[in-house]
Amino acid sequence: EVQLVESGGGVVQPGGSLRLSCAASGFTFDDYAMHWVRQAPGKGLEWVSLISGDGGSTYYADSVKGRFTISRDNSKNSLYLQMNSLRTEDTALYYCAKDTPGGHFDYWGQGTLVTVSS
Amino acid sequence: DIQMTQSPSSLSASVGDRVTITCQASQDISNYLNWYQQKPGKAPKLLIYDASNLETGVPSRFSGSGSGTDFTFTISSLQPEDIATYYCQQYDNPPLTFGGGTKVEIK
Repeated sequence: EVQLVESGGGVVQPGGSLRLSCAASGFTFDDYAMHWVRQAPGKGLEWVSLISGDGGSTYYADSVKGRFTISRDNSKNSLYLQMNSLRTEDTALYYCAKDTPGGHFDYWGQGTLVTVSS
Repeated sequence: DIQMTQSPSSLSASVGDRVTITCQASQDISNYLNWYQQKPGKAPKLLIYDASNLETGVPSRFSGSGSGTDFTFTISSLQPEDIATYYCQQYDNPPLTFGGGTKVEIK
């Protein structure tokens, strides 16, 4: 059974940093690209970042480029999102999601909440 | 970046009604379009991929069509458990983008 479990969310002041983690199980982790998707309270879904299966290619939404860094440790079946220079508009529930060869997200975690507030 | 315009933003329909949601891309995305369902407090769930392919285990009352810039998502007979917000998502190229969502309610 595929499982994705996010952790690392919390309350942080504007300008601060936070590192999210996503523990994956139930599939061959390094065979698949992985994504971070976020959802601000009461709002829609926003794609954040993508990393290829081998970690060699990464992509970011314009809203986080230069501030967030996606990475993975295939030996630990884990995905990460390092978030720096956080802004109030980064407040959201952050989901990790598994990609497919066809580019759709077939499994999602339950999300971890990040609140940026002074 | 490719913009996805989804409409309507909300709708109210009766049980058994046919429900249609549209999604328009700002440029040709071929069939690189997925549809997700999100119930309150839950993670999104994939329903349709590649514009018209039903994900395994998803009821056949859900369907999708379209290619290029114009796409349609249909619930052929609305059921009480279909109350949710539905999102389209393109994956032609990063940055990937979602539509704004359609909240479906029972009349």
